[in-house]
Amino acid sequence: DAGVIQSPRHEVTEMGQEVTLRCKPISGHNSLFWYRQTMMRGLELLIYFNNNVPIDDSGMPEDRFSAKMPNASFSTLKIQPSEPRDSAVYFCASRTSGGLGELFFGEGSRLTVL
Amino acid sequence: SQQGEEDPQALSIQEGENATMNCSYKTSINNLQWYRQNSGRGLVHLILIRSNEREKHSGRLRVTLDTSKKSSSLLITASRAADTASYFCATDLTGNQFYFGTGTSLTVIP
Repeated sequence: DAGVIQSPRHEVTEMGQEVTLRCKPISGHNSLFWYRQTMMRGLELLIYFNNNVPIDDSGMPEDRFSAKMPNASFSTLKIQPSEPRDSAVYFCASRTSGGLGELFFGEGSRLTVL
Repeated sequence: SQQGEEDPQALSIQEGENATMNCSYKTSINNLQWYRQNSGRGLVHLILIRSNEREKHSGRLRVTLDTSKKSSSLLITASRAADTASYFCATDLTGNQFYFGTGTSLTVIP
């Protein structure tokens, strides 16, 4: 299996621009999670989906952030408009809902907003 | 909304020594997991301990859990330079909400 695939691995953009991060979970996994990692706040859970349905988005920082999962093999995290404080590494993780809870992480998308 | 706090924040040891990291958390949990993160990479699952278990082993890893103190420890025995990484505990509250601690940065000196 290819594992969780995230793109892009690196993104540098200017303040005000729209950013879209993409994630392909492991085939057969029906739970998907988006995390943000910064030095100051560590790993923060932003949102998670079960069977493509958003279950808890209370970690999404503000309305500039949105996430979708149109099908079982694809999810996006969008920031519009982006701000310098959004600079972080964004991780996507997936797991089977029937399992013990092990999360499989992608390699992350490092976002820099200038 | 982090659940866990690891201690120490950073640890530096010689190859062959044991490394112990601690994790404290705030609320009741289903299970607790430990993950490892190499620099610039994603997190990798190491071991899971259920709330009704007190100790678990996997290779050179030993994890303990004290639910009365809301704490866990990860022991890596006979450390190797390749163990250099950050280690995180993650608390599973409901089976679908995983909250990570702040991490311990481990450096193993060859």
